[in-house]
Amino acid sequence: DTAVSQTPKYLVTQMGNDKSIKCEQNLGHDTMYWYKQDSKKFLKIMFSYNNKELIINETVPNRFSPKSPDKAHLNLHINSLELGDSAVYFCASSQDLRLAGGQETQYFGPGTRLLVL
Amino acid sequence: RKEVEQDPGPFNVPEGATVAFNCTYSNSASQSFFWYRQDCRKEPKLLMSVYSSGNEDGRFTAQLNRASQYISLLIRDSKLSDSATYLCVVNMNYGGATNKLIFGTGTLLAVQP
Repeated sequence: DTAVSQTPKYLVTQMGNDKSIKCEQNLGHDTMYWYKQDSKKFLKIMFSYNNKELIINETVPNRFSPKSPDKAHLNLHINSLELGDSAVYFCASSQDLRLAGGQETQYFGPGTRLLVL
Repeated sequence: RKEVEQDPGPFNVPEGATVAFNCTYSNSASQSFFWYRQDCRKEPKLLMSVYSSGNEDGRFTAQLNRASQYISLLIRDSKLSDSATYLCVVNMNYGGATNKLIFGTGTLLAVQP
């Protein structure tokens, strides 16, 4: 059984389009994340939700809007796609990032490879 | 200065070699530390947590020096299957209940037969 799953795995689209990426975890975790890994392989957090509540919102263009319908799902909608949005987007989950010490392991999904033409 | 810095490599080593990776972090308030492994075109996976006293897991040894803000990973008797990118990760508290993982850019290891 896949612990953290993302769809689609590959997404090729034109500039200006709007697209969504979906993420689901079956680990019973409270916290979910979106990360972006650029062409230089740098992995950077974008958003974090705990039990459907937004707790981390990095400096991300407001064209990116996360939505968490329940604690097992965290979707990412991107409006007006730009060339610079091309990257691999990883979803992840953990027990609860707010716990003191932050020792919780994060489990990553397989990634969504987005290419904007 | 980057919050977490690593030598990007690549480190090309023969099978059986011992290889060490280093990492420095900038925020002295950092609370917890990890090494993650990322295979080519795959997601990152936790390799091991890093504790102040140092810790070992089979052929892998991780060490933390809080005074120098320095983390290391030692791999003994390298296997072909160890070839991957090793990510140094630091958990920082940004006030209140918010912790955040900061990833280094990774060190690429290629073990040669």
